[in-house]
Amino acid sequence: DAGVIQSPRHEVTEMGQEVTLRCKPISGHDYLFWYRQTMMRGLELLIYFNNNVPIDDSGMPEDRFSAKMPNASFSTLKIQPSEPRDSAVYFCASSRGAAQETQYFGPGTRLLVL
Amino acid sequence: QKEVEQDPGPLSVPEGAIVSLNCTYSNSAFQYFMWYRQYSRKGPELLMYTYSSGNKEDGRFTAQVDKSSKYISLFIRDSQPSDSATYLCAIPPSSASKIIFGSGTRLSIRP
Repeated sequence: DAGVIQSPRHEVTEMGQEVTLRCKPISGHDYLFWYRQTMMRGLELLIYFNNNVPIDDSGMPEDRFSAKMPNASFSTLKIQPSEPRDSAVYFCASSRGAAQETQYFGPGTRLLVL
Repeated sequence: QKEVEQDPGPLSVPEGAIVSLNCTYSNSAFQYFMWYRQYSRKGPELLMYTYSSGNKEDGRFTAQVDKSSKYISLFIRDSQPSDSATYLCAIPPSSASKIIFGSGTRLSIRP
C-alpha cells in the first residue's frame, strides 16, 4: 500500500486566498484524522471522520476551516479566507479503528500564508 | 492543566548514551500509552505502545508506565544518530476515538 497520500506537499498563498488540502487514506481504514502542527502549539487534532461521517470537529479553529469526506478514499480540508496565522504543517492520518489502533500519518502539507 | 505534558527539549546527547524521554498525564483513568517518532519533515509514526503499568521492551527501546505517578517514559539504549527525531507521547482516552498527543521532545544524537 502507498500509505496516506497528501497533496500538495507545499503551498504558498497570500492572505485572503482559499486553500484546499487533499488526503487519500489507506484503503480499508475507517477513521480519518486532520491535524495541524506548529512549533508553538504542537500537534493539534482538527477533526476526525468515521466511515466518512464527521465525528468530532471541536478542534477546528473557526468557521474559516471546513472539512469534507465525500467517499472512503478522499477528504479535503479547506481554509477560506486564509490568514498568516494558519501557516503550519497539516497532516492527515488514517486508522482501522478506535483510538488504540495505530494511526498512519501522511507526509503533511506545509502551508505558508503571506 | 494540560492532559498530557511533555518537555519540548531540545535534548542533545552523544552517540551511545542512554536517553530518557518523559511525559506526565492528568487523568488516572488512562490505560493505554503510545510513543510516536517523527523524523524531520515527515509525519509521526508509531514506535511503541503499552497497556496499563509496567515495562515493554523492543530492541533498544523500553517504554515504562508508572500509573501511581501518572508518568510515562521512553528509554533508548545505545543511542544512534539515526535516533535523532522528535518523540511524542500519545494517549487515547478509552471513551473517545481520538489521541491526545504530547508536544514532543526534539532529540539529537551527536556522532
